[in-house]
Amino acid sequence: EAQVTQNPRYLITVTGKKLTVTCSQNMNHEYMSWYRQDPGLGLRQIYYSMNVEVTDKGDVPEGYKVSRKEKRNFPLILESPSPNQTSLYFCASKITGNTEAFFGQGTRLTVV
Amino acid sequence: GQQVMQIPQYQHVQEGEDFTTYCNSSTTLSNIQWYKQRPGGHPVFLIQLVKSGEVKKQKRLTFQFGEAKKNSSLHITATQTTDVGTYFCAGKETGFQKLVFGTGTRLLVSP
Repeated sequence: EAQVTQNPRYLITVTGKKLTVTCSQNMNHEYMSWYRQDPGLGLRQIYYSMNVEVTDKGDVPEGYKVSRKEKRNFPLILESPSPNQTSLYFCASKITGNTEAFFGQGTRLTVV
Repeated sequence: GQQVMQIPQYQHVQEGEDFTTYCNSSTTLSNIQWYKQRPGGHPVFLIQLVKSGEVKKQKRLTFQFGEAKKNSSLHITATQTTDVGTYFCAGKETGFQKLVFGTGTRLLVSP
């Protein structure tokens, strides 16, 4: 089954404790992206990647890192999480061009 | 950078009433996509419009892409409780691959 898989689905952590949210897709998509969703602000892009070893900042990259060592994986790294990074995170992937994006199930992160 | 705004932010209707959400981009788009996110779920692709002035229909949903390719709308005729959710538009500037999502419109339908 074609899908985008995020883990974990839920995470509560403390300020400053490094964490990684994984994202994997099995559709051989070149483009992958991370978004955060906050009430009233919609889906804001954190980082995106056009292909392996090619990443670029989105609109809200501060406090986040990503890597794209393999085509299927695009982990989101929070080196030192802060409470303002409490949010619902979505990973998405698509083929390059005017094509639809496929989303993971989401990761609800709470930083206390 | 490119910004995509949607209005209204929230709308509550009675079942059977019509609903429209509007999407406006600060830049010209090569395409516009619409997604629906059910409560507790993830965004799911509905449709894509590419041509200036294009209109597409999916049952009770009508999608339009503006002549200038900077705005779009989604109209739902005779809403049903199954239409509840948040509707997002998303667009890509010509020559770029970055997909930018709008702020979303949350629709609540009362029976």
